[in-house]
Amino acid sequence: GAVVSQHPSWVICKSGTSVKIECRSLDFQATTMFWYRQFPKQSLMLMATSNEGSKATYEQGVEKDKFLINHASLTLSTLTVTSAHPEDSSFYICSGTSGDETQYFGPGTRLLVL
Amino acid sequence: AQKITQTQPGMFVQEKEAVTLDCTYDTSDPSYGLFWYKQPSSGEMIFLIYQGSYDQQNATEGRYSLNFQKARKSANLVISASQLGDSAMYFCAMSVGYNKLIFGAGTRLAVHP
Repeated sequence: GAVVSQHPSWVICKSGTSVKIECRSLDFQATTMFWYRQFPKQSLMLMATSNEGSKATYEQGVEKDKFLINHASLTLSTLTVTSAHPEDSSFYICSGTSGDETQYFGPGTRLLVL
Repeated sequence: AQKITQTQPGMFVQEKEAVTLDCTYDTSDPSYGLFWYKQPSSGEMIFLIYQGSYDQQNATEGRYSLNFQKARKSANLVISASQLGDSAMYFCAMSVGYNKLIFGAGTRLAVHP
């Protein structure tokens, strides 16, 4: 199956700093990538959809200036959490699709903001 | 409104037995896709099975089968011959417009030896 990687898998940072998370499709070209957030014991909530070379589309309630998404190539998308605060601590997971409906997920990134 | 409902927060099954995880959905769009993903404690989301709204036959993938009842808007996952490694969270999801996925709340499955 299609493989998606994420880096880093764990990050701990101080409040006010910015954190960048990378999502890579390793064996397919991801025309569309999605970023989700998952709080403990909850389901995945879509944050934004990004298509290669265009601006991301954010879900209602997600601050686009706080969660910067870049999808510069067909194999790489990045999520930058700017000026992170403790309430941003969560599990961030990306997925990619090459055009059919199936989304293939990365292993996720656990963010802890102190 | 588009919605996925998983009414079973937790399920137990004996090893080697079959188990059914329930999922109902709501959408007015005639074209949609239904998915099941497995999330072990490590957090990764593992794709299990897909059913398209126009597919005539129920999807099967190894020990996984999807019991698709369109009139009832249900898409239950059946796991046959459960294994200890099947213990995980299971999420039902629906694709709507531009491949966006809406997830249910999940069901935690525990397989006992």
